[in-house]
Amino acid sequence: SAVISQKPSRDICQRGTSLTIQCQVDSQVTMMFWYRQQPGQSLTLIATANQGSEATYESGFVIDKFPISRPNLTFSTLTVSNMSPEDSSIYLCSARTSGTGEQFFGPGTRLTVL
Amino acid sequence: SQQGEEDPQALSIQEGENATMNCSYKTSINNLQWYRQNSGRGLVHLILIRSNEREKHSGRLRVTLDTSKKSSSLLITASRAADTASYFCATALIQGAQKLVFGQGTRLTINP
Repeated sequence: SAVISQKPSRDICQRGTSLTIQCQVDSQVTMMFWYRQQPGQSLTLIATANQGSEATYESGFVIDKFPISRPNLTFSTLTVSNMSPEDSSIYLCSARTSGTGEQFFGPGTRLTVL
Repeated sequence: SQQGEEDPQALSIQEGENATMNCSYKTSINNLQWYRQNSGRGLVHLILIRSNEREKHSGRLRVTLDTSKKSSSLLITASRAADTASYFCATALIQGAQKLVFGQGTRLTINP
């Protein structure tokens, strides 16, 4: 299994600002992902974080709004840019190890935008 | 749109009873994974079942997969108050890096 940590665990931000969320995995993983969970909803995939190259975004998500970095196999960041109240969600980092295909999740970052 | 749909959306039972949650999906999958989420927290991985498997067990959990019907079920036996949580199924698609697509989830409440 993989243990995933995220920072910050929660934040309250003002409209128009940006927040960068950090994700650290305790072991080398093949794939890393970022998900969003809006209040009372299920999880939606934002993008696949690719090591050393641009992330692969899902429909409805763009790099200008959600820039992602993955400089190595165990670390990734997600920035939520120019935030609005509609961005208030839980953002979850996820990682998949090779072999079993099991995918694990971090504890999430609860973001509130005022 | 979500790949999976879960049924029921909410389930309330008495402690000690069994809880069954169902998940249906639309396209071919590599595997299906079940998760638990306690209120507002991260997801806990419960079990992975591959497309060539029909049943798996883990403690009080039993998962079945019927690829002909594109459906899966999660059974929790002898439920406990601590099992109160939301349960999600997620399908790993065959295409596209096998990314996980989540169902809407079932909110399970165990009454003492």
